[in-house]
Amino acid sequence: TQLLEQSPQFLSIQEGENLTVYCNSSSVFSSLQWYRQEPGEGPVLLVTVVTGGEVKKLKRLTFQFGDARKDSSLHITAAQPGDTGLYLCAGVGSNAGKSTFGDGTTLTVKP
Amino acid sequence: DTGVSQDPRHKITKRGQNVTFRCDPISEHNRLYWYRQTLGQGPEFLTYFQNEAQLEKSRLLSDRFSAERPKGSFSTLEIQRTEQGDSAMYLCASSLAPGNQPQHFGDGTRLSIL
Repeated sequence: TQLLEQSPQFLSIQEGENLTVYCNSSSVFSSLQWYRQEPGEGPVLLVTVVTGGEVKKLKRLTFQFGDARKDSSLHITAAQPGDTGLYLCAGVGSNAGKSTFGDGTTLTVKP
Repeated sequence: DTGVSQDPRHKITKRGQNVTFRCDPISEHNRLYWYRQTLGQGPEFLTYFQNEAQLEKSRLLSDRFSAERPKGSFSTLEIQRTEQGDSAMYLCASSLAPGNQPQHFGDGTRLSIL
């Protein structure tokens, strides 16, 4: 069974601060996605990473895929209240079928 | 319509009743996935289709659950003899094959069992 552990589970910060959240596994994934989910809505795709060591930037968000393709991180610079939400990582295994999700990091950015 | 749509958005029913949910994927996507999400957890995989073929089912999908995608377009998920433990958000996602293509989610159906 492939498991993804996300940390921290909850994070509350002030507007303007930087933060990093982590997604770790003992399994290798062929790709990994990060999603953001708001209450009552479905997850919205932020990024897909495929290559070990890959770094992708999306405005103030920086995503990194570990060299061994077992872990990933999401760094947010100068967080804003609009960044508040549940951040989920999901990995696709070598069988290229279902995605395995972590339980997410709930981020609250206070104005 | 450029996104995944799910119907209904909310369903409240009494224990023991049958319920059916519908998912319309992004039109050019040949893969369709069903997940279940409870409060404080990430989505849990239930099943997925490629075109009309159901390729994988989770052991979470008991014999009370059945999913179909008869024409390779929309899909239905039926739960028979609902139990209180079935209360959850049921999410549908679609993607292109192969499976490492990103999945795009609908806003889910919130099921509440009284």
